[in-house]
Amino acid sequence: GAVVSQHPSRVICKSGTSVKIECRSLDFQATTMFWYRQFPKKSLMLMATSNEGSKATYEQGVEKDKFLINHASLTLSTLTVTSAHPEDSSFYICSAKGSTNEKLFFGSGTQLSVL
Amino acid sequence: KQEVTQIPAALSVPEGENLVLNCSFTDSAIYNLQWFRQDPGKGLTSLLLIQSSQREQTSGRLNASLDKSSGRSTLYIAASQPGDSATYLCAVTQGGSEKLVFGKGTKLTVNP
Repeated sequence: GAVVSQHPSRVICKSGTSVKIECRSLDFQATTMFWYRQFPKKSLMLMATSNEGSKATYEQGVEKDKFLINHASLTLSTLTVTSAHPEDSSFYICSAKGSTNEKLFFGSGTQLSVL
Repeated sequence: KQEVTQIPAALSVPEGENLVLNCSFTDSAIYNLQWFRQDPGKGLTSLLLIQSSQREQTSGRLNASLDKSSGRSTLYIAASQPGDSATYLCAVTQGGSEKLVFGKGTKLTVNP
């Protein structure tokens, strides 16, 4: 089946620093990628949708200047958490779909801890 | 606003038992419903996808049903195995949107 690679799997950083998370589709072209966030004991919540070559569409309540998404190629999307704070500590997970496949393929997630 | 609820939050069963996981959603105008499996450190794996026009889907020991009018879906796992231990997530999409709305999941433990 299709594979989506997400890196890093875990990151611990100091408050005020920026963290970049990468999401790669390894064996298909991902026309659309999604970024989700999951706080402890809460549901996965969509943060933003990105289409290759265009600006990401953010969900209500998600700050686009804080969570920078770049989808510059059909196989790579990045999420940068800028000036991270402890309240940004969460599990971030990406998913991707090709143009002809309705199924979503998920990365393995990134556990972000901001001290 | 669509809300997805999964019951129970956790379930522990002995190996070999058949079990049912429940999912309900508040807005019946869905496009499709998916069941996922979430393993620690391994992300999500799509198990079954049911289109709104379908009543059920089967894959191996898994059977998912959908009653769109009542806003319910069930995931039936037959002859459970310890390898089935994971968190099972239910998610729906609505027409015109690719956004998945997830439930909080059911954490399943199958004891040998």
